[in-house]
Amino acid sequence: NAGVMQNPRHLVRRRGQEARLRCSPMKGHSHVYWYRQLPEEGLKFMVYLQKENIIDESGMPKERFSAEFPKEGPSILRIQQVVRGDSAAYFCASSTPGGSYNEQFFGPGTRLTVL
Amino acid sequence: AQSVTQLGSHVSVSEGALVLLRCNYSSSVPPYLFWYVQYPNKGLQLLLKYTSAATLVKGINGFEAEFKKSETSFHLTKPSAHMSDAAEYFCAVRGGGNTPLVFGKGTRLSVIA
Repeated sequence: NAGVMQNPRHLVRRRGQEARLRCSPMKGHSHVYWYRQLPEEGLKFMVYLQKENIIDESGMPKERFSAEFPKEGPSILRIQQVVRGDSAAYFCASSTPGGSYNEQFFGPGTRLTVL
Repeated sequence: AQSVTQLGSHVSVSEGALVLLRCNYSSSVPPYLFWYVQYPNKGLQLLLKYTSAATLVKGINGFEAEFKKSETSFHLTKPSAHMSDAAEYFCAVRGGGNTPLVFGKGTRLSVIA
């Protein structure tokens, strides 16, 4: 069973461009979480999705950021008109439905650099 | 609401010495606690989790953590450090259900030969 897959692993964008980050959850996992890790910081929650539904987006910036998890295909985190402050590592995690002890399995992350 | 405080952004120990990484939590509901490890340029790997079955939790790679409700702590320990333990360690808490994890800022562990 392959783990959580994220691509690309590294992404370089110039200010004003769009960044698209992809996350394929583990097989059988229907819950996806996106986290952002800024330098010298822990991971901060951004958004929690189930297939075709956004469950909690309380951690998402109000503008330029959006996320989806379609019925088919990977979850996508989109950042429009990127700025230097968006440079960070973005991690996706997936889990099965279940209780509070359910482990979230993390992908290797996408490291976004905005020039 | 939940929050986590990890005391010490950087801990350095000698190979073979005791490892102690501190984590204090705040939670308005019974907490679900986790320790994750992150190696350079890698994702996070679960070390252990508190499931309320026992206050002393054993994890992978010889690590263990003790849940102390009176101290709101969940410190991570390992009796003897190995060079391969050098990594970033994150304590995390969540509320009930499939709620997101709330992470501490992390502690970078260095192991000196």
